[in-house]
Amino acid sequence: GEDVEQSLFLSVREGDSSVINCTYTDSSSTYLYWYKQEPGAGLQLLTYIFSNMDMKQDQRLTVLLNKKDKHLSLRIADTQTGDSAIYFCASGTGANNLFFGTGTRLTVIP
Amino acid sequence: AAGVIQSPRHLIKEKRETATLKCYPIPRHDTVYWYQQGPGQDPQFLISFYEKMQSDKGSIPDRFSAQQFSDYHSELNMSSLELGDSALYFCASSLADRGHTGELFFGEGSRLTVL
Repeated sequence: GEDVEQSLFLSVREGDSSVINCTYTDSSSTYLYWYKQEPGAGLQLLTYIFSNMDMKQDQRLTVLLNKKDKHLSLRIADTQTGDSAIYFCASGTGANNLFFGTGTRLTVIP
Repeated sequence: AAGVIQSPRHLIKEKRETATLKCYPIPRHDTVYWYQQGPGQDPQFLISFYEKMQSDKGSIPDRFSAQQFSDYHSELNMSSLELGDSALYFCASSLADRGHTGELFFGEGSRLTVL
């Protein structure tokens, strides 16, 4: 099956940019996603990108996809304390075939 | 806006007992997915339903069953509970024509603790 990997922890200072990285193995993945999970809460879809795109920007979020290296990143500009959460990368061909990474815990230091 | 509603939010059971989790999808969403997230683990797909029929099956144990009702709500039934079933169970819903893009809307989860 698909193997999705992320680093476990990331700490940044408030106002700085955060970059969360993810690698995946299945080249047939059609979509790649970023979900946010706040403590005790459900997964919130932040953004997703089609595999034939290399960049998507949505307000403070920028997703970069290097399909050749199977590398996905999420950049959060002007990181705020409210951005502290676990960020899950996921890849797949649809909701029934979605593989999640282990999540990166982002801590924003005031 | 209405979100996915799950109940109960917390549930404590003993080994070998049964538990039922409920999920109410976003209105007009016709597809429901169940995921299991163990402590410190990523969510794992269990099962999904479209128009009250099972549409796909993931790593759901045989001790578990689920169904989707005529009002599109879904229930996950878990029997002969084991300690390893302790997890956060997420329900997600989508429109069938958007599910293929993974545009899932997740509930806040039901935390099951098996003692």
